Amino acid sequence: GENVEQHPSTLSVQEGDSAVIKCTYSDSASNYFPWYKQELGKGPQLIIDIRSNVGEKKDQRIAVTLNKTAKHFSLHITETQPEDSAVYFCAASSGFGNEKLTFGTGTRLTIIP
Amino acid sequence: DADVTQTPRNRITKTGKRIMLECSQTKGHDRMYWYRQDPGLGLQLIYYSFDVKDINKGEISDGYSVSRQAQAKFSLSLESAIPNQTALYFCATSDKQGASYNEQFFGPGTRLTVL
Repeated sequence: GENVEQHPSTLSVQEGDSAVIKCTYSDSASNYFPWYKQELGKGPQLIIDIRSNVGEKKDQRIAVTLNKTAKHFSLHITETQPEDSAVYFCAASSGFGNEKLTFGTGTRLTIIP
Repeated sequence: DADVTQTPRNRITKTGKRIMLECSQTKGHDRMYWYRQDPGLGLQLIYYSFDVKDINKGEISDGYSVSRQAQAKFSLSLESAIPNQTALYFCATSDKQGASYNEQFFGPGTRLTVL
């Protein structure tokens, strides 16, 4: 089955700097790669996703890049703000009509004011 | 009103007790999931249901059972709770987007402690 590794497990950055979280996956059939943000006391919420036919996707201050050859994808957050502090999870999914998400182990991002 | 609700939000129980966690959704989605979250382990899939008559085991189904009472309701049971089932449990739903089912919508979670 699919295996998703996520690094780093914790990350602290100064407010205004950029943050990068990286994930690798094992199943070459995976074709959907979402990123979820989990704030304290809440369930994870989708913030951005990318499909295998696209190399990069951007939404305001967040972007995701995908390298299918190397089987890795990354989340980039620019101009970080205190409200970006949370736990971020990457995930991977394959197949059509029968997808399951396999999650990474999470990155706790702390923005230092 | 929340689209995915979970009850109870917190539960403390003793070893050997039977526990049921409930999930309800008003999103009209046909797919529902139960995950377990442990520190440093991310989210692990326990069971998932693609419709009322279709229930499947996930990665860590041992010690758990589920019931899909209706499209909107999916319950998780621990028949005889043990301390290593202490964790945060999340319910999620998804629906078809184009040719595939992808984005999952999570409930607020149930924190379960087994003493």
